[in-house]
Amino acid sequence: NAGVTQTPKFRILKIGQSMTLQCAQDMNHNYMYWYRQDPGMGLKLIYYSVGAGITDKGEVPNGYNVSRSTTEDFPLRLELAAPSQTSVYFCASSYSNTPDYNEQFFGPGTRLTVL
Amino acid sequence: GDSVTQMEGPVTLSEEAFLTINCTYTATGYPSLFWYVQYPGEGLQLLLKATKADDKGSNKGFEATYRKETTSFHLEKGSVQVSDSAVYFCALSAGTGANNLFFGTGTRLTVIP
Repeated sequence: NAGVTQTPKFRILKIGQSMTLQCAQDMNHNYMYWYRQDPGMGLKLIYYSVGAGITDKGEVPNGYNVSRSTTEDFPLRLELAAPSQTSVYFCASSYSNTPDYNEQFFGPGTRLTVL
Repeated sequence: GDSVTQMEGPVTLSEEAFLTINCTYTATGYPSLFWYVQYPGEGLQLLLKATKADDKGSNKGFEATYRKETTSFHLEKGSVQVSDSAVYFCALSAGTGANNLFFGTGTRLTVIP
């Protein structure tokens, strides 16, 4: 099992450029999540998905879009990159979202810089 | 709303010292509580969890007890090692919505030889 994989590991974008952060999991998890981690700020939820074809906004969705066409893949799209989107992005997945079993598995992250 | 508050870091300890990282929570229901660890350059991974009051989670020498009376879930380790240097996140999960895992801001621990 590879677990949760993310590509790329690092990326530098110019203001206004677009890109897609890729995320895939091979654990057959229904639930998938995108977080951003800013220094000293913990994790903030951008978008999440409860299954293929179903997505919803988290705490900080502005400037991002997602899709979930398969159980395995959950790409995050930045349409018009802004310096405020400089951050480390983590994808995660879980088997269940019931509190007793809400263990999320994280990918290694993508460090994005927008200049 | 549901939230966790954990002690601010950074924390620097000598090897074999005792570690405590404080975490308190606010929740309307009966949350499950977690500690996640993030090693340098990696994603978060679950360290331990507790799902009801008075439960003790433990892993790799770390322990935390779910204290409902003080709404706390403090992380402890009796003797830290250099390899424990990481960022530690307290988290809670409550309710039935899909967006129901809330993280603290993280505490960076550095252990020096």
